[in-house]
Amino acid sequence: SAVISQKPSRDICQRGTSLTIQCQVDSQVTMMFWYRQQPGQSLTLIATANQGSEATYESGFVIDKFPISRPNLTFSTLTVSNMSPEDSSIYLCSVEEWGEFFFGPGTRLTVT
Amino acid sequence: AQSVTQPDIHITVSEGASLELRCNYSYGATPYLFWYVQSPGQGLQLLLKYFSGDTLVQGIKGFEAEFKRSQSSFNLRKPSVHWSDAAEYFCAVGAGTGFQKLVFGTGTRLLVSP
Repeated sequence: SAVISQKPSRDICQRGTSLTIQCQVDSQVTMMFWYRQQPGQSLTLIATANQGSEATYESGFVIDKFPISRPNLTFSTLTVSNMSPEDSSIYLCSVEEWGEFFFGPGTRLTVT
Repeated sequence: AQSVTQPDIHITVSEGASLELRCNYSYGATPYLFWYVQSPGQGLQLLLKYFSGDTLVQGIKGFEAEFKRSQSSFNLRKPSVHWSDAAEYFCAVGAGTGFQKLVFGTGTRLLVSP
């Protein structure tokens, strides 16, 4: 099974700033996913990132707010831009292998 | 659109008692169904999945789930709950073209009493 690491594990940021979250996978994968889990809520897919193409965003999420990079088959970044307190969430990276989805430990973001 | 409903926000079970967590899904085709567990401060761990075949699926940690197409349900069960099972449980359905993403339910928080 894929092993996923994320950096940072947590951060406290001021509103108006940006944070880039890194996701590293121990194997090559075609598709990587970014989810958001707001406090006390379920997971919502932000976007799907394929290597070599632009990310596909879900309804309600836009590239200007959540730019994503996918430079190779084992790495991706998600940037949360111009942050507001409403962006306080856990952000999780996920990959799919043989029909199973594996998740990273998450990045807990608090915006003050 | 695909959706998943977990009608119970919280459930409290005595240690050693049996457990059933409910999950109902809405999906036009044959669903791919998952149960995940999220312990405090930890990531999501896959408990079990259903793709096809036997409708009773065995998972890790003594969990099982039964797919019932007629009821659009995929309930999670465990015959005897341990205190370490206290966590958040999420049901999810594989969705999108070529099964490209997961749609999650709102989760059920399991509390285990002594």
